[in-house]
Amino acid sequence: DVVMTQSPLSLPVTLGQPASFSCRSSQSLVHSDGNTYLNWFQRRPGQSPRRLLYQVSNRESGVPDRFSGSGSGTDFTLKIIRVEAEDVGLYFCMQGTHWPWTFGQGTKVEIK
Amino acid sequence: EVQLVESGGGLVRPGGSLRLSCAASGFTLSSYWMSWVRQAPGKGLEWVANIKEDGSERYYVDSVKGRFTFSRDNAKSSLYLQMNSLRAEDTAIYYCARVRKYGVDYWGQGTLVTVSS
Repeated sequence: DVVMTQSPLSLPVTLGQPASFSCRSSQSLVHSDGNTYLNWFQRRPGQSPRRLLYQVSNRESGVPDRFSGSGSGTDFTLKIIRVEAEDVGLYFCMQGTHWPWTFGQGTKVEIK
Repeated sequence: EVQLVESGGGLVRPGGSLRLSCAASGFTLSSYWMSWVRQAPGKGLEWVANIKEDGSERYYVDSVKGRFTFSRDNAKSSLYLQMNSLRAEDTAIYYCARVRKYGVDYWGQGTLVTVSS
C-alpha cells in the first residue's frame, strides 16, 4: 500500500501569517491516465472531514482562495496564505491513484 | 444540500455481524461511486470499500475482504455495509462518503461500531 507521510504533525501558527504543510507518498501518484489524484482535507474539531483540494491543486466549491496546493510525483504541499481563526483543525492528504486509497496521519494546526 | 446519514452501529461481540446503512439525499445517488471509510480510536483514517454507480464493481481493503459486503439500492437512495466475522480491530467510526475525482467530497457524520466481548 502507498504510505502517505505528513509533516509536521503539529503546527502552531500566528493569525494572519502563512502556513505550509507537506505530504509525501511512498510511490509516485501519477495515474496511468496522466492525472495525479492527491486530495487535501480539513477536519475541524467535532466535524466530518471537508475536502479542500483535489488533483493536487483544484479547489472545491466554496473553499477560500487562501488555500492552495502544489507538488508532483511524490511530494506535495498545502499552503494557507493568511491563517484565520476558523482554519484551526486537522489537515490530511489522501491519494486516490493506487488501490487501496490511503490517508496521511494529518497535521494539526493550532493558533499560537 | 448533499447529506449522508449513517446508522446501524453498535456493540457486537467478536465473530458477530452488523449491517450499516447510509441514507443519501441532495444528489442523484446512481451517478456516483460511493465509499466507506473508517477511523479506529486514536488512529488515522482507513478507506474500507468502494462501490460503482450501479453496484457492478466493488473494491475492498485487504483486511475486510471476504468479511464485509458493500451494496446499494439506488431506488431507495441507500447504501449498506454488511459486516460479518467482526474482530476487535474493526472497532471504529464508519463514515459513508461520496466519491468524486478519485477522492471523497462529502462525508456523513459516522456511526460507531464497537467489537468487544
